[in-house]
Amino acid sequence: SQTIHQWPATLVQPVGSPLSLECTVEGTSNPNLYWYRQAAGRGLQLLFYSVGIGQISSEVPQNLSASRPQDRQFILSSKKLLLSDSGFYLCAWSGAAGNEQFFGPGTRLTVL
Amino acid sequence: GENVEQHPSTLSVQEGDSAVIKCTYSDSASNYFPWYKQELGKRPQLIIDIRSNVGEKKDQRIAVTLNKTAKHFSLHITETQPEDSAVYFCAAILGSGYALNFGKGTSLLVTP
Repeated sequence: SQTIHQWPATLVQPVGSPLSLECTVEGTSNPNLYWYRQAAGRGLQLLFYSVGIGQISSEVPQNLSASRPQDRQFILSSKKLLLSDSGFYLCAWSGAAGNEQFFGPGTRLTVL
Repeated sequence: GENVEQHPSTLSVQEGDSAVIKCTYSDSASNYFPWYKQELGKRPQLIIDIRSNVGEKKDQRIAVTLNKTAKHFSLHITETQPEDSAVYFCAAILGSGYALNFGKGTSLLVTP
């Protein structure tokens, strides 16, 4: 069966520091991968999605970037964090031919 | 882009009553509409979904209806239980066919 991992689970970072969040999927090949952010008490905002290695689509221009160096690995990065980057970051995957998206356990980021 | 409106933002019902959450979407090309349940601090979990070639789908106490002409879809939970308490999100797939656009969520509270 397929599983999705994210790390770290929680992170506290100072303003201006870099960020790297990692997501990996097991048990499937060529998944579509997604990064979402959820601010406290708010909905899910799509940040990036990828349909293949090296292919990244950005939905919202901002302080973040994404990369997909391997088929089942998706990385979210920032060179300099802002206070507004705090939130719950969720990675998700879907099958290449399907629509159902399944979420990872998330990373709770606090920027101080 | 796709715009998904969700109502109500909060809903309180007594155990055993029914709960209905409604969503509207703007992109007539959308053809996939999932519903997610998110408990506090946890990842969103897919609970039911519907495609545009179907008007209604049921899974035990949960049902979803879709009106393509009016561009709205609804989640119905019957015989609610305290463990149904959570935030529920509707979503519609974007025209690209890959990414989901989420509603802002409905916080459901089921009181014993």
